[in-house]
Amino acid sequence: EPEVTQTPSHQVTQMGQEVILRCVPISNHLYFYWYRQILGQKVEFLVSFYNNEISEKSEIFDDQFSVERPDGSNFTLKIRSTKLEDSAMYFCASKDRDATGELFFGEGSRLTVL
Amino acid sequence: GNSVTQMEGPVTLSEEAFLTINCTYTATGYPSLFWYVQYPGEGLQLLLKATKADDKGSNKGFEATYRKETTSFHLEKGSVQVSDSAVYFCALSDRGTGRRALTFGSGTRLQVQP
Repeated sequence: EPEVTQTPSHQVTQMGQEVILRCVPISNHLYFYWYRQILGQKVEFLVSFYNNEISEKSEIFDDQFSVERPDGSNFTLKIRSTKLEDSAMYFCASKDRDATGELFFGEGSRLTVL
Repeated sequence: GNSVTQMEGPVTLSEEAFLTINCTYTATGYPSLFWYVQYPGEGLQLLLKATKADDKGSNKGFEATYRKETTSFHLEKGSVQVSDSAVYFCALSDRGTGRRALTFGSGTRLQVQP
């Protein structure tokens, strides 16, 4: 069964460092998303991406964040200068044209900022 | 804006007990409704969905009925197992915009004891 894959599964970094989280969405999907979940809290929307551009972003997705789909298969989230409060589980998701809106999630990348 | 409200957890039950996790929503238009489950250390998996009023989603013994008149989508299971221990997220998709795709509730942790 097709699945969304994410790497790395866990990354530890120092505050102020740049981090890139990678995702390979399901191949025929058209919509791509990043969500995050701070430990023990709710799942929060960060950004959606369609047709090679950002469709929508939340207030969390400030200038420190960027997304890219560089080669038609990978979908990356970059955090330019990490802060302690960026420590969270980051989930990538993808969706096809189906109007019911079901998202398929990866297993997540845990980011720990020290 | 759209929002989802879930009952606070954790919910602790004995094996074979009846489960109800309440979920109510606020949305414009006619959203699709979902329950996602997150097992320990894993990502989010779709448990069930309903796309229009009075639809019943079901999977693995879990059920939820889309109630437009009460704006609810409560999750039920007649007899829980230890393996059902997880965090359950109610979510909605506003098909009118399609971009943000999912708005999540805060999650409800279920602990089933043998």
